[in-house]
Order: sequence, then structure tokens, then C-alpha cells
Amino acid sequence: QVQLVQSGAAVKKPGSSVRVSCKASGGTLSTVAISWVRQAPGQGLEWMGGVVPIFGTPKYAQRFQDRVTISADESTSTAYMELSGLTSGDTAQYYCVRSIGTWGTGFGVWGQGTLVIVSS
Amino acid sequence: EVVLTQSPGTLSLSPGDTATLTCRASQAVSRIHVAWYQQKPGQAPRLLIHEASTRATATPDRFSGSVSGTDFVLTIRGLEPEDFAVYYCQQYGNFPYTFGQGTKVDI
Repeated sequence: QVQLVQSGAAVKKPGSSVRVSCKASGGTLSTVAISWVRQAPGQGLEWMGGVVPIFGTPKYAQRFQDRVTISADESTSTAYMELSGLTSGDTAQYYCVRSIGTWGTGFGVWGQGTLVIVSS
Repeated sequence: EVVLTQSPGTLSLSPGDTATLTCRASQAVSRIHVAWYQQKPGQAPRLLIHEASTRATATPDRFSGSVSGTDFVLTIRGLEPEDFAVYYCQQYGNFPYTFGQGTKVDI
């Protein structure tokens, strides 16, 4: 059974960047889609983007297109999400998610979440 | 982008009741590209149903997904205490993937 373990909580200043990691154990990342989903406090779920490592090119939601970079290191089975230009509106729980297969399949495995707090 | 509208926003029920949750898409979505997730407080969401009606591993058979016209429906028959949670629908057939705003099932 694949598990995803994310990096720990982070407190960041406005205008800075944050990088969240997501390491898979018990399975591969290469051939499945890895997405990042965020959830602001008390709010719903929002897909930010994702990547299928063997395909290479990430896909991003337009509203994050200019600020987010999603990547994956197949050798370490670790995915990364970097978000720049942080504002208080980016305070949220960030989840990495492993799809059942490639694009067009459900989100089968979720990481435990990483809380990012943006505060001056 | 595809907007998913869930109804109702909150469903107040008792253990043993049947819950019917609806998700309507703003444009056509293939049934094979719709999922339902359950989220409990302080936890990550969990996949319940994918391809509109296929239960994920470990999803109890009291949960079922169906399609009614343009609506996607999640039915929970015989609510158990652990089923009181927030439920989200999702489409993953068009980018950006989108979620409904959630339906809270509470006592």
C-alpha cells in the first residue's frame, strides 16, 4: 500500500516562497499523476496542479500558473510543490495526492497534509 | 472551468437514515471522470467512489454512486456514526480538475 509522507508545517513571511515535499513509500510515482490540492481554513478543496513524472510536463490551474512549480524526483520517489509570492490568502493545508493511474483517474492516496501559514 | 454545485449544503440526519447527496456540473462531464471523497475533521480526504459508481478499496457497500440525468448522486444507506462528515464531489475529466463546495452530513 502506497503511503505519502509530506514535509512539516511552515510559517512564511508575505512575499516569500514555500517548498513542500511529498515522499512515497511502498510504490512508485513515475507512472501515476501526482497532484497538489489545497484547503484554506474552513474552506473546500482546490486543485493546484500536478505532474505525471514519466510525461514530464506539469499541468497547473490557471490561477496558480505564474506562482507554482510542481516537480518530481523519480529516483527518490519524492514530489515537490513550490509556491512563490505568498500572501495571507495562501494560508492553507496543502495535500499531495497520488492518482489511481495517470491523468483522468481518481485521487486514491492522500498525504497527511502540510500546514502553511503566511504571516508577517 | 467545470463548476460543480453540491446540494444540499448541510444534511441533518440520524444514524440509520439514508443520505442523498447531489452534484451538478456546469457542463458535460463523462461519468468515468467523477469521484466522491469523505473528509472528517482534522483528516485528509479519502476516496470513496470513482468513475461515478465504483467503490474504492475499503469503501463499505452502504455507499453507492449513481448518475441521474446530469446529476451525480452519492447515496449512503443506513448511516453509521462514523459517516457524519463532509463529502466532496470532483471531476477529473477536464483541466483544471475541480471540486464541489462540499455537503456536510451531521446529526
